Amino acid sequence: GAVVSQHPSRVICKSGTSVKIECRSLDFQATTMFWYRQFPKQSLMLMATSNEGSKATYEQGVEKDKFLINHASLTLSTLTVTSAHPEDSSFYICSAGGQTSLYEQYFGPGTRLTVT
Amino acid sequence: GDSVTQMEGPVTLSEEAFLTINCTYTATGYPSLFWYVQYPGEGLQLLLKATKADDKGSNKGFEATYRKETTSFHLEKGSVQVSDSAVYFCALNPEGGTSYGKLTFGQGTILTVHP
Repeated sequence: GAVVSQHPSRVICKSGTSVKIECRSLDFQATTMFWYRQFPKQSLMLMATSNEGSKATYEQGVEKDKFLINHASLTLSTLTVTSAHPEDSSFYICSAGGQTSLYEQYFGPGTRLTVT
Repeated sequence: GDSVTQMEGPVTLSEEAFLTINCTYTATGYPSLFWYVQYPGEGLQLLLKATKADDKGSNKGFEATYRKETTSFHLEKGSVQVSDSAVYFCALNPEGGTSYGKLTFGQGTILTVHP
C-alpha cells in the first residue's frame, strides 16, 4: 500500500525559532498533500492544501506567514513553523492524495512539536 | 459547513464484546464517508469506506452502513480483540466542488479492549 513518512517524529524547539517538518510519499507520486493539526483529545483540523508546483491554499484562520508550506516535488511537501511559540505546540499530520484521485488519502505518522 | 460528530469516549470493552461507535454527519449532497483507525504511534489508516446511500463498508470484521435518512455511519464489530485498541475517526469527503478532498473529521473515539 501507499506509504507516507514524516520527519522528524518529535521535535522540541525554543520559542522564536523555526522548525521544518517533511512529508514524503515513498512509493507513489502525490500532486496534492494536506497538512492537519491535532490538539490533545481533539480531532484533526485541516490547515492547508499543498499542490505540487503552486502555492498552498490555507484554511480560514491559519496564518500563511507563520506556517510556510512548500511542495517542490511530487513526493515531498514541507511545513515550516516560523517564529514558533508555545501555543504552536501540537501534533502535525500530513496526508497525500492518491495519484489519480483525492478520494482516498494516505496519512503520515505525525510530528509532535513542543515549543518551550 | 460540513461537520462530523462521534460519540464521546473513551470506550472500554472486554475482549469478544460487541462494539458500536456512533457517527453522524452534516453535509450537502452525498459525501463519501470513512472510518480511519490510528494505532498508538502510527498514522491514520483507512479502515472502511462508503460512497453512496445504503452502501456497507467492511474490513477486518468492522462494518458501517451509509444511512442517508439518518445521516449516520455507525461503526460496529461483533467481537472485539485486544489488538483493536486504538483511536477511531469518522470522516467525510464532500461530494465535489472546490472542497473535494478536504476531509472533515470527527473528534475521535478512544477504544480500549481488555483481555
